[in-house]
Amino acid sequence: ETGVTQSPTHLIKTRGQQVTLRCSSQSGHNTVSWYQQALGQGPQFIFQYYREEENGRGNFPPRFSGLQFPNYSSELNVNALELDDSALYLCASSLHYAGPRGTGELFFGEGSRLTVL
Amino acid sequence: AQKVTQAQTEISVVEKEDVTLDCVYETRDTTYYLFWYKQPPSGELVFLIRRNSFDEQNEISGRYSWNFQKSTSSFNFTITASQVVDSAVYFCALSEDNYGQNFVFGPGTRLSVLP
Repeated sequence: ETGVTQSPTHLIKTRGQQVTLRCSSQSGHNTVSWYQQALGQGPQFIFQYYREEENGRGNFPPRFSGLQFPNYSSELNVNALELDDSALYLCASSLHYAGPRGTGELFFGEGSRLTVL
Repeated sequence: AQKVTQAQTEISVVEKEDVTLDCVYETRDTTYYLFWYKQPPSGELVFLIRRNSFDEQNEISGRYSWNFQKSTSSFNFTITASQVVDSAVYFCALSEDNYGQNFVFGPGTRLSVLP
């Protein structure tokens, strides 16, 4: 286990609704990234949070937003849900800078599976 | 732009067979980082290995080995003497960023190891 916990594990929403997903990072990690994984595909980067600010963003519209709290935990909010938002949402924690040899690994939670009807 | 290709969608082998999962990547950066992750049915992505672009030596860890070849932009993963517990989806990923941002994942290879 990685120590990254996500909630809820499963949820069902209807089109147009809003959803909030939560993530607690691994102890000692100061950075949280969110990924969307559609069925049968690889994860896609949504955004990353460091020091409570968005630190990079993938190709996702503004209705995908997030927060990071002083304890490094994070939320992913999605407004105006669309059918294509149905996916597994993965949270990953890491160190912002892994040292001179570069990017360290991401530690993932088990994900929140969102179904939009 | 960065891209990761895993041409094998699904592979089935019988237990104790060796299996190689292919990964080909595209990047314009001279410094980059490659990863393999395993995703069992529980959904959690499990880290297996990280390789820096400036470190070309291959690595072996138990039954797992990785062959990194910059000349062909490949980072292949071999499981020796496969076991049923190896059944999972395996993802190859690439990051050009020094700060762990924007990992680009391949589409994954589903490995089924039959008893």
